[in-house]
Amino acid sequence: NAGVTQTPKFQVLKTGQSMTLQCAQDMNHNSMYWYRQDPGMGLRLIYYSASEGTTDKGEVPNGYNVSRLNKREFSLRLESAAPSQTSVYFCASSGGLAGGTGELFFGEGSRLTVL
Amino acid sequence: QKEVEQNSGPLSVPEGAIASLNCTYSDRGSQSFFWYRQYSGKSPELIMFIYSNGDKEDGRFTAQLNKASQYVSLLIRDSQPSDSATYLCAVGDTGRRALTFGSGTRLQVQP
Repeated sequence: NAGVTQTPKFQVLKTGQSMTLQCAQDMNHNSMYWYRQDPGMGLRLIYYSASEGTTDKGEVPNGYNVSRLNKREFSLRLESAAPSQTSVYFCASSGGLAGGTGELFFGEGSRLTVL
Repeated sequence: QKEVEQNSGPLSVPEGAIASLNCTYSDRGSQSFFWYRQYSGKSPELIMFIYSNGDKEDGRFTAQLNKASQYVSLLIRDSQPSDSATYLCAVGDTGRRALTFGSGTRLQVQP
């Protein structure tokens, strides 16, 4: 059982380049999330999708777009990368609304460096 | 002001001791409380969750919740070097539909 799978695991970009982080889960979860983690900052929510066909902004959405392609897949796009977006990105999923009783299951993370 | 506060540490305890990790939160509407463990370079994994005031025990781990004081803690008994990690406190409520995380406390268990 793969759980939550993220690709790529590592990426180096130049300022202004674009890229998409892919995330897929095989647990039949309704809710999916993108977080970023920076040293000393903990995990900060970028976007989330409570169900297929819906997306909502989190705490730090500027510079990002998302697509909930289907129930399994939730992608995060950087249209014009900036050095401030250098971070570790985690995708997560939850069977229920994570604000209620749902446990978050995390992918392995994607380490992005923007030069 | 950050909604979920944790002391960044490091908290250093000797092997076999009790480690006490603390977390405060600002939103009185918060309903669910989680403790995640994160090893260096790895993703967070759930250790415990608690919804009601009081204590909840699971093996060597005890979560404590005091909603009146807006305080949640994690006790680790008989600490082992393998417990050395960063512990993240997370808080949720149905209105927000997502968890808010603290910045984490780094625990070091000395052999």
